[in-house]
Amino acid sequence: NAGVTQTPKFQVLKTGQSMTLQCAQDMNHEYMSWYRQDPGMGLRLIHYSVGAGITDQGEVPNGYNVSRSTTEDFPLRLLSAAPSQTSVYFCASSYSGVVGSTDTQYFGPGTRLTVL
Amino acid sequence: ELKVEQNPLFLSMQEGKNYTIYCNYSTTSDRLYWYRQDPGKSLESLFVLLSNGAVKQEGRLMASLDTKARLSTLHITAAVHDLSATYFCAVLSGTYKYIFGTGTRLKVLA
Repeated sequence: NAGVTQTPKFQVLKTGQSMTLQCAQDMNHEYMSWYRQDPGMGLRLIHYSVGAGITDQGEVPNGYNVSRSTTEDFPLRLLSAAPSQTSVYFCASSYSGVVGSTDTQYFGPGTRLTVL
Repeated sequence: ELKVEQNPLFLSMQEGKNYTIYCNYSTTSDRLYWYRQDPGKSLESLFVLLSNGAVKQEGRLMASLDTKARLSTLHITAAVHDLSATYFCAVLSGTYKYIFGTGTRLKVLA
């Protein structure tokens, strides 16, 4: 299994540009999520999905869109990039995320995004 | 709104010494996680703690959970250089939202 994969690894954008960060998993996990990691702030949840066709907002959803058309893929779209979106983005997945389970999240390698 | 606080934020310790990282959270939760992150790398799961009094151990690391005090600890026994990393706790908020602490950067000196 490849686990959780993310592309690209690095990206530089200009303010106002749009782009999509790709995330895929081959573990048949229902739950997928996107986080951003900024120095001194830990990881903050952007959006999450509990299955194909079902998404919801996390702590910091503004400026980002997601969709989940398949179990495997969960792309993150930046609609109009801003310097405040400069960060490292991690995608993660887990089997179900159901309360009481012992599921843990598996994280992708991350995408380092710089917005000029 | 659930808040998660870790302390200390930075920890420099000598090899062979013991130390504890603390994770406090503000509202009731059913699950708590510990992760490790090496510099420039992704996060790796260490422990999942589900119930009050839960204790898990792996090598020199032991995690415990006190849901009544809303406190989890990650205890390091006889630290070695390989344990140098950033450690995060994360708490489940509601059914599907995971809230992370700010992380504890551990440096083990030879």
